[in-house]
Amino acid sequence: KAGVTQTPRYLIKTRGQQVTLSCSPISGHRSVSWYQQTPGQGLQFLFEYFSETQRNKGNFPGRFSGRQFSNSRSEMNVSTLELGDSALYLCASSPGGTGANVLTFGAGSRLTVL
Amino acid sequence: QKEVEQNSGPLSVPEGAIASLNCTYSDRVSQSFFWYRQYSGKSPELIMSIYSNGDKEDGRFTAQLNKASQYVSLLIRDSQPSDSATYLCAVGVYGSSNTGKLIFGQGTTLQVKP
Repeated sequence: KAGVTQTPRYLIKTRGQQVTLSCSPISGHRSVSWYQQTPGQGLQFLFEYFSETQRNKGNFPGRFSGRQFSNSRSEMNVSTLELGDSALYLCASSPGGTGANVLTFGAGSRLTVL
Repeated sequence: QKEVEQNSGPLSVPEGAIASLNCTYSDRVSQSFFWYRQYSGKSPELIMSIYSNGDKEDGRFTAQLNKASQYVSLLIRDSQPSDSATYLCAVGVYGSSNTGKLIFGQGTTLQVKP
């Protein structure tokens, strides 16, 4: 069974640019969550999508956005990049629905902003 | 006050010893608790999940939960050098709108010395 696939794995951007990251969840999983990991702040929740709808959102500025497609694949976009956006962006999928769902993480997309 | 707190370590134990990792959380309505292991440069992988008070054992790992004290721990018996990693405590509040959102602690770095 294929795991969570994130692309690209590494990318370098300059300040002011925008970036789009992609995540393909485990087959059959309907929930996709995005997290940002930095040495200083640790793992922080960005947002969650379920059945193409944003179900939950963390405390990040509006420059961070996402969407989910009908096949459950998800993308997140960061506009007007800042140096502080340099981080590992992790996508996690889970079956979805109510109740406690175990998250399975992808390998991550490491973003460097110069 | 941080929502999920862990001692950052490093926690150093000799090979074969018991490693004890601790985590406290502030939200009394938290209902799901997870331990993830993260090797350097890799993404988090699930070690244990626990939802009710008491102990849960899986091989060399035992998770302990005390909701009254808002405390969750992970014991690793017969520690091996391959257990050297950062251990992340994560807390979730499940319900129709919260299933993909976990609050992570900063992680405890474990070093197992041969």
